[in-house]
Amino acid sequence: EAGVAQSPRYKIIEKRQSVAFWCNPISGHATLYWYQQILGQGPKLLIQFQNNGVVDDSQLPKDRFSAERLKGVDSTLKIQPAKLEDSAVYLCASSLGTDRRPGNTIYFGEGSWLTVV
Amino acid sequence: AQTVTQSQPEMSVQEAETVTLSCTYDTSESNYYLFWYKQPPSRQMILVIRQEAYKQQNATENRFSVNFQKAAKSFSLKISDSQLGDTAMYFCAFMKHTDKLIFGTGTRLQVFP
Repeated sequence: EAGVAQSPRYKIIEKRQSVAFWCNPISGHATLYWYQQILGQGPKLLIQFQNNGVVDDSQLPKDRFSAERLKGVDSTLKIQPAKLEDSAVYLCASSLGTDRRPGNTIYFGEGSWLTVV
Repeated sequence: AQTVTQSQPEMSVQEAETVTLSCTYDTSESNYYLFWYKQPPSRQMILVIRQEAYKQQNATENRFSVNFQKAAKSFSLKISDSQLGDTAMYFCAFMKHTDKLIFGTGTRLQVFP
């Protein structure tokens, strides 16, 4: 079974530029997550989708970050304009979803490393 | 709000020995789930073990086991017969019914030959 796929793996941009990350979850997984992990910290949830609806985006900096999951499968996370403090690993993850049963195991992709200079 | 605390920033252990990583959490929920994830330098989060709060029996996965103390809100990870490949960051994480993981700050484990 294929895992969570993410691209690009690495990106270096200048501040005020834009960047987009793509994620393809495990087949059949209804819930998709984007986490931000700054060096030396644990991952922090940015946004959670259930199918193509947003469940939680309370910690998403909406003035510069946006995410979509139009067809309930793939997702894109965009940052525009980027700031130095956005340098982090962006982890996409997926799970079966709460409508199946609660407490589902969440599976992570390899992450997209962003450096803003 | 739920919080997860890992008080050991770094730990080290000799190969074949046993090591225990600590985790405490704070919640008012009665039903929840706890996880330990391993993160090697590649940064992919790999599930090590999970525990349902309603189960009194401690979870075990091969060389990995937990000591779950619900009243004390403690969830420690024991790694037996440590191997060089166990070297990684280990994150404790909490989840309630909304399926959102809340992570601790991690413990860096180094296994020495």
